[in-house]
Amino acid sequence: ELKVEQNPLFLSMQEGKNYTIYCNYSTTSDRLYWYRQDPGKSLESLFVLLSNGAVKQEGRLMASLDTKARLSTLHITAAVHDLSATYFCAVNYGGATNKLIFGTGTLLAVQP
Amino acid sequence: NAGVTQTPKFQVLKTGQSMTLQCAQDMNHNSMYWYRQDPGMGLRLIYYSASEGTTDKGEVPNGYNVSRLNKREFSLRLESAAPSQTSVYFCASRGTRGEQYFGPGTRLTVT
Repeated sequence: ELKVEQNPLFLSMQEGKNYTIYCNYSTTSDRLYWYRQDPGKSLESLFVLLSNGAVKQEGRLMASLDTKARLSTLHITAAVHDLSATYFCAVNYGGATNKLIFGTGTLLAVQP
Repeated sequence: NAGVTQTPKFQVLKTGQSMTLQCAQDMNHNSMYWYRQDPGMGLRLIYYSASEGTTDKGEVPNGYNVSRLNKREFSLRLESAAPSQTSVYFCASRGTRGEQYFGPGTRLTVT
């Protein structure tokens, strides 16, 4: 059974600090996605990671993928309050169908 | 471009009632998906459609049916709603790199 585990599940951090969210998955996959969800809202695509060693950066967020370790990280640099949201990683398990298994999410609260 | 749209936004049903959730996308995508999201959990795939006229089960298909009416529209039907189907339902379509674009969601309560 494919499992996708994120940790931590909840992260409270101060503005200006750095932190990393981890996403581990249990089976081989060549694609991993990161999404952001604000409370009561839909999901917004952040990053698409398509190969081993892929690194993508957007503003204060940087995502990476290690397919051999079955691990992706989402690194937050100098957090600001606007980054407060729930972050999900999702792993493709369906090949060309792109069926996704989602992690349970990390609720990030950035305190001023 | 409206992206992915869903109707209704909110719905309250009584146990045993039926309803259809509607989804449409205007991005000319082939693949579309239905998910449910329960509190404290990630999204779980209910059904998937690769193209018009084709559908496939996801992780949690029991109690649901789907119809891919045409390339734009993908509907989800609850034939006999149960309290366990209280959830937020999201429709999505797939972009060129496999990323999925999500609709605004339907909040369904079954009493």
